Amino acid sequence: RKEVEQDPGPFNVPEGATVAFNCTYSNSASQSFFWYRQDCRKEPKLLMSVYSSGNEDGRFTAQLNRASQYISLLIRDSKLSDSATYLCVVNSRARTSGSARQLTFGSGTQLTVLP
Amino acid sequence: DGGITQSPKYLFRKEGQNVTLSCEQNLNHDAMYWYRQDPGQGLRLIYYSQIVNDFQKGDIAEGYSVSREKKESFPLTVTSAQKNPTAFYLCASSIAEHISESDTQYFGPGTRLTVL
Repeated sequence: RKEVEQDPGPFNVPEGATVAFNCTYSNSASQSFFWYRQDCRKEPKLLMSVYSSGNEDGRFTAQLNRASQYISLLIRDSKLSDSATYLCVVNSRARTSGSARQLTFGSGTQLTVLP
Repeated sequence: DGGITQSPKYLFRKEGQNVTLSCEQNLNHDAMYWYRQDPGQGLRLIYYSQIVNDFQKGDIAEGYSVSREKKESFPLTVTSAQKNPTAFYLCASSIAEHISESDTQYFGPGTRLTVL
């Protein structure tokens, strides 16, 4: 089982639609969580951190369910410019080091917003 | 402007050659990382360094080597021992070894390596 699992998509949605991405993680000791956005052939860029109480940034809402080890990202009123791959990222204690933590990346969910 | 730079953007290598990918940051970050990304896959950690003159193997270190002689620089050498080196290579940095819960990593623009 992968440490971080995402539905690969692709999700093709019309402009203005609401779309939700889900992610599950296997390491119950995971400490913090992020959503990154990656445009085609570019580097990943931090979209938002995910806090236990849930958090919102404009049209984007992230939620965390520690009991179910589940993270979600909701995009409302989607724009053409939202087309990208969305990576679910988990910050866990490293397997090879006693103190350092590492980021573990999901494979990403591809979103295409259609005009 | 603060940031992470990687060079070159595209690199072509013949089989059997070693190549070195550059990564420089002026963010004053202590920790630096190298990842590899293959099409349709997530990022996989090659090596990371938490402090100057120290580095640790990640999940897929075989066939790669690194050095960390300066805080700003973390070059990656892809050796001829790497069986399938064609990939997109990403360098990242972070403030420290994720001591804070919200610490995360920031990425350079990447180097796309193709073995001919």
